[in-house]
Amino acid sequence: LAKTTQPISMDSYEGQEVNITCSHNNIATNDYITWYQQFPSQGPRFIIQGYKTKVTNEVASLFIPADRKSSTLSLPRVSLSDTAVYYCLVGDYSGGYNKLIFGAGTRLAVHP
Amino acid sequence: GAVVSQHPSWVICKSGTSVKIECRSLDFQATTMFWYRQFPKQSLMLMATSNEGSKATYEQGVEKDKFLINHASLTLSTLTVTSAHPEDSSFYICSASRDSRAEAFFGQGTRLTVV
Repeated sequence: LAKTTQPISMDSYEGQEVNITCSHNNIATNDYITWYQQFPSQGPRFIIQGYKTKVTNEVASLFIPADRKSSTLSLPRVSLSDTAVYYCLVGDYSGGYNKLIFGAGTRLAVHP
Repeated sequence: GAVVSQHPSWVICKSGTSVKIECRSLDFQATTMFWYRQFPKQSLMLMATSNEGSKATYEQGVEKDKFLINHASLTLSTLTVTSAHPEDSSFYICSASRDSRAEAFFGQGTRLTVV
């Protein structure tokens, strides 16, 4: 499974757009990129998943360049409740199950 | 979305006793579930893959005799921490997905404290 690298922490303010970039230089052809959010003492929550270009849902956007060696999670207009740890994961889900290996994640702190 | 539920949410046990944690997929069948452990301020560490009807697959360094996994049905996997010690105190989380290409859903986690 490809290794991912993210910033350890980020700070932002309410109402700002936050972009968290993840490097995955060894991503394989069949790998998808998935982002999860985790609050303290809770299980991770799925945010968004993509393979290439751009994916958008009601909570975030995911930008993936053509070489797919990195990806950027974009959170529009963050609020205090977006303070959490964000994990970028890369994996091949064609093998029969959804085995996820977590990296260190990015600890986002949103300030008033 | 799909729901994965864990029980109990927290448990305190005495050193030397065993504790069972349940993971249920509430609205879908999961032939495979995963168990993770998370220490404070650290990331999730995959412990094992739970396979319905067969033996679990453990990650390197995880003692299979200490962390017993049973996946007796398509909606239930259990993790039993045997002869628990204070160093086993941690946050245990399970995950499951509808199929290999669907996103994984995680349980709310179980906080185990061994005293």
